[in-house]
Formats: sequence, structure tokens, C-alpha cells
Amino acid sequence: QQPVQSPQAVILREGEDAVINCSSSKALYSVHWYRQKHGEAPVFLMILLKGGEQKGHEKISASFNEKKQQSSLYLTASQLSYSGTYFCGTDNAGNMLTFGGGTRLMVKP
Amino acid sequence: KAGVTQTPRYLIKTRGQQVTLSCSPISGHRSVSWYQQTPGQGLQFLFEYFSETQRNKGNFPGRFSGRQFSNSRSEMNVSTLELGDSALYLCASSLRLSSGSTDTQYFGPGTRLTVL
Repeated sequence: QQPVQSPQAVILREGEDAVINCSSSKALYSVHWYRQKHGEAPVFLMILLKGGEQKGHEKISASFNEKKQQSSLYLTASQLSYSGTYFCGTDNAGNMLTFGGGTRLMVKP
Repeated sequence: KAGVTQTPRYLIKTRGQQVTLSCSPISGHRSVSWYQQTPGQGLQFLFEYFSETQRNKGNFPGRFSGRQFSNSRSEMNVSTLELGDSALYLCASSLRLSSGSTDTQYFGPGTRLTVL
């Protein structure tokens, strides 16, 4: 079953922060975050494994709450280059990814 | 290291025809997954191949099939094309170190299929 991402779209000014949420109705083994720019392939950002860990990638970090079956992606001090569509991919059974519908992020100067 | 490559990049077909798409994974990667991306449905998993065997399959009709060769290259075939098959088809490769985990997937640029 497809994870639910929220919000569906967000517009930011440069320097502002954003949070993108990903919720699953099933137990999660891992959560993968990707960013896709228009006309390009999705690019891997980070993977979070069972255990509620938090990871970071430049000014982008993420958390994983196993009990709530949720993950959140945090973008701090956003830059123009952060614009794109963010997808979470959830692994419910240790063998394949199911992607959410995506969150469109637009960062304006 | 060269990334995932897909050919062709663009394809136009008519209803009822069949099409074959090709994907070459990153060197050393043994797993190839295929996804269909459309504006309305997002990224939908088609199937995954590992060591020439289909390991997982998404919820797509039998018109969608694939295979993997001994060099890990993979092909995807769609027969009897329908208008709704118009989409961006992405393949992704991964190391697939163990059967109990999903490794990082690296996506190719995709093949844009248009069915008229």
C-alpha cells in the first residue's frame, strides 16, 4: 500500500525551513528519500533503517519513527537548488520499495 | 563509475503495438527494478530482477514483462499497448547485498513512452 506524503506541495522563500512527512499503514523496515527535478531521474538523498535514527545530508535531515510508522524530511535554510519533487519510498517487508505520491517543493528567491 | 543508462530515451508507438525498453545497471549492481511514473499515479513499482530471476512483481497486467541477462542488463516489454501506458519508465539498480533489506536504488534517466 502506497505511503501518504504531506503536504502535496509547498512554496518557500530562500532561507526558510520545510518539513515533509511520510506515513505508512504498515510496519516499516526502512524509509528512502529521493528528490526529482523536472525532466530528471530521482536522486537518492538518504535511507533510514528501523531504530528511529536520524540522518543528515548537508542541510537536509530526516527522522524515522518506527512506532508511528512515519518519517519526516527536514529542509533547513532552503536554497534554490532544493526545488523539486520529494518522494519517500517505504520498505514494508524487506524486499521492495513503494513510493508515496510526492511533495512538490518550490523555493523562490 | 558510469550511472544507470536507459535506451531509448523517447519512444512513440501506436495502440496495439509492442515495445521493448533496455536498462544497463551500474557496474557491479545485480538488482534492477522497473517503475512506471505518471502524473496521476506517481512512481509505481513494476518488477525487480536479481541474478536473472524475477524477485518481486507489482500490480500490473501480464502485458508487462521483463527479463535480466547474465551481465545484469535488463529489458522490459509491453505488449498490446494501450493509451494509458503512456508514461516515463524508470529503471533503478542496486547492489542487493542481502535478501532481507532494500538497498539504495540508483535511477536511470528513464524512457518516455507515448502511445497514440
